[in-house]
Amino acid sequence: AQSVTQLDSHVSVSEGTPVLLRCNYSSSYSPSLFWYVQHPNKGLQLLLKYTSAATLVKGINGFEAEFKKSETSFHLTKPSAHMSDAAEYFCVVRPLSGNTPLVFGKGTRLSVIA
Amino acid sequence: GAVVSQHPSWVICKSGTSVKIECRSLDFQATTMFWYRQFPKQSLMLMATSNEGSKATYEQGVEKDKFLINHASLTLSTLTVTSAHPEDSSFYICSATSGLVAETQYFGPGTRLLVL
Repeated sequence: AQSVTQLDSHVSVSEGTPVLLRCNYSSSYSPSLFWYVQHPNKGLQLLLKYTSAATLVKGINGFEAEFKKSETSFHLTKPSAHMSDAAEYFCVVRPLSGNTPLVFGKGTRLSVIA
Repeated sequence: GAVVSQHPSWVICKSGTSVKIECRSLDFQATTMFWYRQFPKQSLMLMATSNEGSKATYEQGVEKDKFLINHASLTLSTLTVTSAHPEDSSFYICSATSGLVAETQYFGPGTRLLVL
């Protein structure tokens, strides 16, 4: 079975400082891992995905994540936060198979302080 | 990238009525669509998996007679909330995939349902 743990329900950073959103996964298969962002009252937007290629994955809006198998982690980072980054972020796992459902973490709310 | 649309984006209805939500893949054929429900400030909860041309597979605890799912074509799936009650008020989100190995799921913008 697959599961995802987002270690922080809420992260608050100052504008211009680094962002770190933590995610650990559990999977009996080699997983596909995703980060999605959801702005208030909006749908989900894919930030980046890992599918067994390069372990450092670059996404949109300056975000990146590193797959670390030894730590079963897939933390999301960004060097410098912008006000527009304030949103809910979901770490998601899926086995490497096309039609299986995604398993969502509980989400981390990112606040950016001016 | 692939685009998934949902209609309506929000709906208000009276208790006891039925509401249909459409999910369309606009530029690809979606062999599989998923329906999720999201309560305020919570994560997405998978309701059902819908494969084109076959019956949907519902997650444990989801009433199949209340949440009717139809996936009649490769670009359209519908979720009908029958005899809606206030506790059905929620944000409903669909996603679609073409089913290839490691294919990304693309999410619709969501439909907010308010049952009075």
